[in-house]
This record gives sequence, C-alpha cells and structure tokens, in this order.
Amino acid sequence: TQLLEQSPQFLSIQEGENLTVYCNSSSVFSSLQWYRQEPGEGPVLLVTVVTGGEVKKLKRLTFQFGDARKDSSLHITAAQPGDTGLYLCAGDSNAGGTSYGKLTFGQGTILTVHP
Amino acid sequence: EAGVAQSPRYKIIEKRQSVAFWCNPISGHATLYWYQQILGQGPKLLIQFQNNGVVDDSQLPKDRFSAERLKGVDSTLKIQPAKLEDSAVYLCASSLQGVGPRGSYEQYFGPGTRLTVT
Repeated sequence: TQLLEQSPQFLSIQEGENLTVYCNSSSVFSSLQWYRQEPGEGPVLLVTVVTGGEVKKLKRLTFQFGDARKDSSLHITAAQPGDTGLYLCAGDSNAGGTSYGKLTFGQGTILTVHP
Repeated sequence: EAGVAQSPRYKIIEKRQSVAFWCNPISGHATLYWYQQILGQGPKLLIQFQNNGVVDDSQLPKDRFSAERLKGVDSTLKIQPAKLEDSAVYLCASSLQGVGPRGSYEQYFGPGTRLTVT
C-alpha cells in the first residue's frame, strides 16, 4: 500500500507569514495533485505536477515536485485568512505514462490564518 | 456548468440500520468515484466506475457496502448494516475520462454526505 505523509498536520499562523506544507512518500508517483478543502465542501484541485523537479506557481502558492517524484511541497507566501482550509496532496501511482485516475491521498494539513 | 450533486447532505442513523447515498456527476463525465473521508484523514477511494462498469473496488467492504451506476450516469452507494466506524463524509467525484496521459485529468468533487452512526 502506497502512503503519502503530510506535515505538519496542523498549522496556525498570523496573516502575512509564510508557510510550507510537505508531502512525502517512499513510493514513486507518476503525478501528484494538491487540493484545498473547506468545511462542508469537497476538495478542489489547485495544481497537478507531473515532471520530477517541476515547480508551478499559482499567485502566492508555489508547488514543487521532488526530483525522484516521491515528495512534494506547497509554499504559501504572505498567507491571508482566505487561505484557511484543509490542504491535501494526492498521488497517482500508476506506472508509465498512462493514468487511470486512481489517487492516494495524504491525511491533510489543516491551515488556519488569523487576521 | 453544474457541479457534482450529492444527497442527502447529512444523515444520522443507528448502527445496524441501512442507508443510501445518491450522486449525480457532471454531465458527460465518464468516470465516477466514491470516497470515504473519516474525520482528520484524507479521502480513501471506495469504488471507481468507468461509465457503468466497475474499474476498481478493491477497498470497498463488500460485506456491507454496495454501489451501482445504472445507465452510466447517476450512482448510489449503500451501506447495510451500518457500523459505528462507518461514520464519515462520503464524497462523490467525477472526471471527464478515467484513462489518459498522466496528470491529464481532474476530479471534481461534490459537497459530500456526512454520515453519523450512533
């Protein structure tokens, strides 16, 4: 069974601070996705990274896929209260170049940004 | 574009009772997923449909859980009989296609059904 471990599990910071969330595994993933989930809602896809070493930016969010495709990180610059939520990483473990849409999720990081 | 619809949003039942959840995916999406999300954990895939066929149900507790997707559109997930440990949010998701180049798809999630078993 492939596992994704996220750290930290909880993060409480003040508005304007920077933060990094980590997603680690001993397994290789063909691609990795980051989702954000708000209370009472389903997860919403933020980004998909596919290539080892890939870096993607989404406004104040920077996502990185490890060179070996076993880990990833999410960095938020100048966090805002609107960034509050549950952040989930999810890996697609299917080998090769084809995806069958089967994702393994990490346990999530609960981020609270205080005004 | 309408999103993934789920009902009911909340359900409270006693253990050993049965319960059913309904999901209507985004129109035209061939692949439908049911996930179980226990409080404090990430979603766990229960079953994946491609049109009306099952692609993966390896983590579905088949002694008590069943799911169907008649006509390849709507889907229902049933639990019979429910146990205390089934208390969770049940999420339905859909994607346009289930097979493609890695990283090419996006799963769209519904709001979920929060089940409490007492």
